[in-house]
Amino acid sequence: DADVTQTPRNRITKTGKRIMLECSQTKGHDRMYWYRQDPGLGLRLIYYSFDVKDINKGEISDGYSVSRQAQAKFSLSLESAIPNQTALYFCATSVLTSGTTDTQYFGPGTRLTVL
Amino acid sequence: AQRVTQPEKLLSVFKGAPVELKCNYSYSGSPELFWYVQYSRQRLQLLLRHISRESIKGFTADLNKGETSFHLKKPFAQEEDSAMYYCARRGSGYSTLTFGKGTMLLVSP
Repeated sequence: DADVTQTPRNRITKTGKRIMLECSQTKGHDRMYWYRQDPGLGLRLIYYSFDVKDINKGEISDGYSVSRQAQAKFSLSLESAIPNQTALYFCATSVLTSGTTDTQYFGPGTRLTVL
Repeated sequence: AQRVTQPEKLLSVFKGAPVELKCNYSYSGSPELFWYVQYSRQRLQLLLRHISRESIKGFTADLNKGETSFHLKKPFAQEEDSAMYYCARRGSGYSTLTFGKGTMLLVSP
């Protein structure tokens, strides 16, 4: 879905460097999420935000931080990258419909390699 | 803790064969169950959800609360069904999804 974009798409960096991954959406959704995908481990939630003033830790937030600059933008930062943060990172958005359920719409992913 | 178990990392079938991708979840109230699919070089996208009781691309999934399962089924697999499939749940009172580890489906000609 081209309404959710991620930059950069690929990044190679060195241990100890600070990295920022950016996510933008034009869907007008309030909810945004960051996941990482690792082979054999599936998708794991890093952080999520239900509106601009709301930030919540997910399952694996250690070593990461986020910023919700606007409804449309949600950035993920690695303050000091380490090799085991090498993974595919996905941003997603959603909006509650029908009172309880929400469908998540994913970005194309950012492949991060930490050497 | 919410858990979603997909016991098979890889499922390989021939075209035209029936397919069943297994998913079990930890019991907690009235969860919402979903199947997401990721085709090669494409984004992860919703395939179907249990509350819709729909059939998408020939796939169906029935929520079995007694067995805490939400298996994905298709009677006749097609090559274009080859993809990574993730089962996910959203428990009552929770607003985020918990994903299983995924099952890679390979359909051979």
